[in-house]
Amino acid sequence: AQSVTQPDIHITVSEGASLELRCNYSYGATPYLFWYVQSPGQGLQLLLKYFSGDTLVQGIKGFEAEFKRSQSSFNLRKPSVHWSDAAEYFCAALIQGAQKLVFGQGTRLTINP
Amino acid sequence: EAGVAQSPRYKIIEKRQSVAFWCNPISGHATLYWYQQILGQGPKLLIQFQNNGVVDDSQLPKDRFSAERLKGVDSTLKIQPAKLEDSAVYLCASSPGWNEQFFGPGTRLTVL
Repeated sequence: AQSVTQPDIHITVSEGASLELRCNYSYGATPYLFWYVQSPGQGLQLLLKYFSGDTLVQGIKGFEAEFKRSQSSFNLRKPSVHWSDAAEYFCAALIQGAQKLVFGQGTRLTINP
Repeated sequence: EAGVAQSPRYKIIEKRQSVAFWCNPISGHATLYWYQQILGQGPKLLIQFQNNGVVDDSQLPKDRFSAERLKGVDSTLKIQPAKLEDSAVYLCASSPGWNEQFFGPGTRLTVL
């Protein structure tokens, strides 16, 4: 079945430390891939997206993600997190032509001071 | 540019009551989506409109949920009657095409 999996439900990192959030997809063809962030009581904000081309994608707020076809992964990274990065992060996939966005279950990020 | 607007932001109702949510998409966006986000889960698409026509409502519980998009702009999502398991955040999103969706702040529904 087509799906997006985020293996980590909750991650805690110290402020200033590096971050990597995992995302794996299961589709017959390479989907378009997205990372969204959701702060408490807010809607989803797009961090970055991958359609094709360079597999390392730069986004807003200092985030980047790397697409690895061999591993069916699209992991999100940030070299140094800030307390304001505490939020819920969602990976999503869009099948070309279907216009249907499928989300992972999310990873909650907590930042220790 | 103004974002996607939703109201109300919060709603508490008793089970078996009715409730309606309103969404105003970004001006010019032809595609509008309603998602249901249950606590601890990712958003799940309920219905997608292209202008005022339905593109996908395969996951909409049609015995109790309905949605309309009059004149291809604003949209309303209704639940009648509500069940306890309908407690969730209802997100509206709009898109100018197919490749990026812009989300509103959501309506948090609590069914008691």
